[in-house]
Formats: sequence, C-alpha cells, structure tokens
Amino acid sequence: EPEVTQTPSHQVTQMGQEVILRCVPISNHLYFYWYRQILGQKVEFLVSFYNNEISEKSEIFDDQFSVERPDGSNFTLKIRSTKLEDSAMYFCASGAGDILPNIQYFGAGTRLSVL
Amino acid sequence: RKEVEQDPGPFNVPEGATVAFNCTYSNSASQSFFWYRQDCRKEPKLLMSVYSSGNEDGRFTAQLNRASQYISLLIRDSKLSDSATYLCVVNGRDSSYKLIFGSGTRLLVRP
Repeated sequence: EPEVTQTPSHQVTQMGQEVILRCVPISNHLYFYWYRQILGQKVEFLVSFYNNEISEKSEIFDDQFSVERPDGSNFTLKIRSTKLEDSAMYFCASGAGDILPNIQYFGAGTRLSVL
Repeated sequence: RKEVEQDPGPFNVPEGATVAFNCTYSNSASQSFFWYRQDCRKEPKLLMSVYSSGNEDGRFTAQLNRASQYISLLIRDSKLSDSATYLCVVNGRDSSYKLIFGSGTRLLVRP
C-alpha cells in the first residue's frame, strides 16, 4: 500500500537554527500539506501546496516557514530560525485533491524538539 | 465557536461495550467529513469517511446530519485495541481542501 514517508523521525535543534523536514508524498497525489501538533493539542493546518505553489497557508505559517518541492518526489518544510514554541510533531499529508471525499494520508511525522 | 467541537472524554468502557462519539462543526459549507484515529504520539489514520446516508464498516458506524451540522461515530463490541483518540475532521470548499481537526475524544477500553 502506498504511503507518505517522512524524515527524520526526530530532530533536535538549538533555538535560532534552521531545520528542514522532509516528506515523500504518495506518487500520484497532487496536493501536499504540512500540519503540526503541539503536545496535548489538536492537529493544526500549516500550509497546502499544489501545482508548485502554495495554495493556502495559516496564520502560523509566517515568514520563518517555507515549503519547496525541489524534485518530482520530495516535499520539504523549512523553518529558518527555530523558536522554542516550534517544538511539535510535524505531519506531512498528501491527497488527490478534487476527488471527493478528498481523503488525505499522513506520514508518521517528525518530532521537532527546539532547545 | 470552535470550527470542530468534540467531547474530550476520556470514555472508559469495558470490552464488548458499545460507545458513541459526537462532533459538531461550524462551517455549513464543509464538504467532506471523516473520523480519524490517533494513537499516542502517532500520525492520524483514516478510520472512515462519513456520508449523509450513514455508513458502516464492521463494528463502526458513522452518521452525518448536515442540517444540524453534527457527526457521530458508534463503535460496537469494543476491543482493547480500540483504545485511542478519535478525531472528527472536516474540510471545506476552499481550493486547498485543508482538513480541520477537532481536539479528539479519548477512548479507553478496559479488560
């Protein structure tokens, strides 16, 4: 069964450092997403990406965040200068998009710990 | 008002019990509805999509009431392995098809 894969599974970084989280979406999907979940809180939407551009972003996704699809398979989330409050699980998801019911499949997540 | 609202629980039930979860959503333009399951510190996994006609998958039955903006999940004959957090999820008509999550309802099934 095709799956979304994410690397690394756990990333520890110092405050102010840049991190790049990587994802390989399901190959025939066209819509890609990043969500985050702070420990004990709900899953929150960060950004969606379609046709090589951001289609929507949340208030959380400020100038410190960026996404890229550098080749035909990888989808990355970069945090330019990490803050303590960026510590969370980051989930990548992909979906076919405009085929109801718009199911999205999630990767196992990257746990980001900012010290 | 929260976009997707759920009772956080926990629901603590014995094996074999029937348990029901409810959820309300605020955006009447929401188009697709789901129940996801999340185990501790793991990713959300799709349990089932929810349709107005109601749908069943083994021991799980989901219902959608668009008029009341209400979604339900019924689990029959609970197993120990059903212990998890159940997430009510909707998406809207916007072009990104982003998912909006409830905070989840925690289920504990005891022997």
